[in-house]
Amino acid sequence: LAKTTQPISMDSYEGQEVNITCSHNNIATNDYITWYQQFPSQGPRFIIQGYKTKVTNEVASLFIPADRKSSTLSLPRVSLSDTAVYYCLVGDTLKTGANNLFFGTGTRLTVIP
Amino acid sequence: EAGVVQSPRYKIIEKKQPVAFWCNPISGHNTLYWYLQNLGQGPELLIRYENEEAVDDSQLPKDRFSAERLKGVDSTLKIQPAELGDSAVYLCASSLELPGVHTEAFFGQGTRLTVV
Repeated sequence: LAKTTQPISMDSYEGQEVNITCSHNNIATNDYITWYQQFPSQGPRFIIQGYKTKVTNEVASLFIPADRKSSTLSLPRVSLSDTAVYYCLVGDTLKTGANNLFFGTGTRLTVIP
Repeated sequence: EAGVVQSPRYKIIEKKQPVAFWCNPISGHNTLYWYLQNLGQGPELLIRYENEEAVDDSQLPKDRFSAERLKGVDSTLKIQPAELGDSAVYLCASSLELPGVHTEAFFGQGTRLTVV
């Protein structure tokens, strides 16, 4: 499994855009990049997934450069409710039978009023 | 649609006692995971089931931990005997793995175990 590196923590003021970058230098050709969000006292939940370039949904955007050795999760105009831990995962999510979701330590985002 | 349901939500036991956690995955999901999460850390995989078969239990401490998924639906995770270091949150997740379809895992709220 490709190892990922993320900042341990980040602080942001309400209303700002937050970008969390994840490094995955050993990403394999078939690997996809997936981000999960975890609120206190809850299990993680899926946010977004991508392979290359840019993916956007109602929650976030994911930017992946051409070399795919890193990715950036972008949260537009964060609110206090976005305070959570964000995990970057790399793996072949299309391959059945070998899908062990590996979570690192994640990035703890604190949104300040 | 109901999500992944875990019970109990909280459990406090004395060391050396047994404890069991129960998980009801999302209906139709063929893959079930048990994770352990220590404070300030990310979830760590203990065991993964495909239907009723445990396909990866390499991280499960088999001297004291056991798990089963009868009929490929509900699952239980047991610790016997519990140790102080087992205090953590135990998360269950499920997913539907199909060829050519991205796997997305859905997590329950977890069971917070405190061993005293």
